[in-house]
Amino acid sequence: AQSVAQPEDQVNVAEGNPLTVKCTYSVSGNPYLFWYVQYPNRGLQFLLKYITGDNLVKGSYGFEAEFNKSQTSFHLKKPSALVSDSALYFCAVRAGSGNTPLVFGKGTRLSVIA
Amino acid sequence: NAGVMQNPRHLVRRRGQEARLRCSPMKGHSHVYWYRQLPEEGLKFMVYLQKENIIDESGMPKERFSAEFPKEGPSILRIQQVVRGDSAAYFCASSSRLAGGTYNEQFFGPGTRLTVL
Repeated sequence: AQSVAQPEDQVNVAEGNPLTVKCTYSVSGNPYLFWYVQYPNRGLQFLLKYITGDNLVKGSYGFEAEFNKSQTSFHLKKPSALVSDSALYFCAVRAGSGNTPLVFGKGTRLSVIA
Repeated sequence: NAGVMQNPRHLVRRRGQEARLRCSPMKGHSHVYWYRQLPEEGLKFMVYLQKENIIDESGMPKERFSAEFPKEGPSILRIQQVVRGDSAAYFCASSSRLAGGTYNEQFFGPGTRLTVL
């Protein structure tokens, strides 16, 4: 069975500092990995995905994520945090290229402090 | 190109009533997914549909819940005889199939927040 773990419920970071939101996964076969962001009372917005190729994936709003197969991790990063980045971040995994449903982590709430 | 649309955005029902949630996928998308988000939790998959077909309903409660995606019109998630535990945010997502048989990422609607009194 597929699963995603986001070990931190909350991450606090000062504006301008780098941020990391952690994600580890478990899946049979090749993983398709995704990050989504949710602002209050809004739906999920797609940030980036890893399918194959370069382990460092660049996405929207200056975010990037690094796929590490040996550690089964897909941590989300940004070099310089903005207050407007404060939101709920979800990591998700899908096994392979089929149109199977996403399995989500519980989410990590990011607070960027001015 | 409008995104995934859901309505209503907020729905209040009393226990025992029926709730109908609608989802119109993005233009060109024929795959629809419904997810439920309980407070302070991630999204849990409920059902995956293509036009006129339920592909995977493994996450759907066996009773009171049903879903459809007719040939014409939006996808409907129906909850009969609602109970307080049904209070949650229900999100719809859609995706398209790419050339070569792979599938694109899912795009989410704004959600319907159901409150059962």
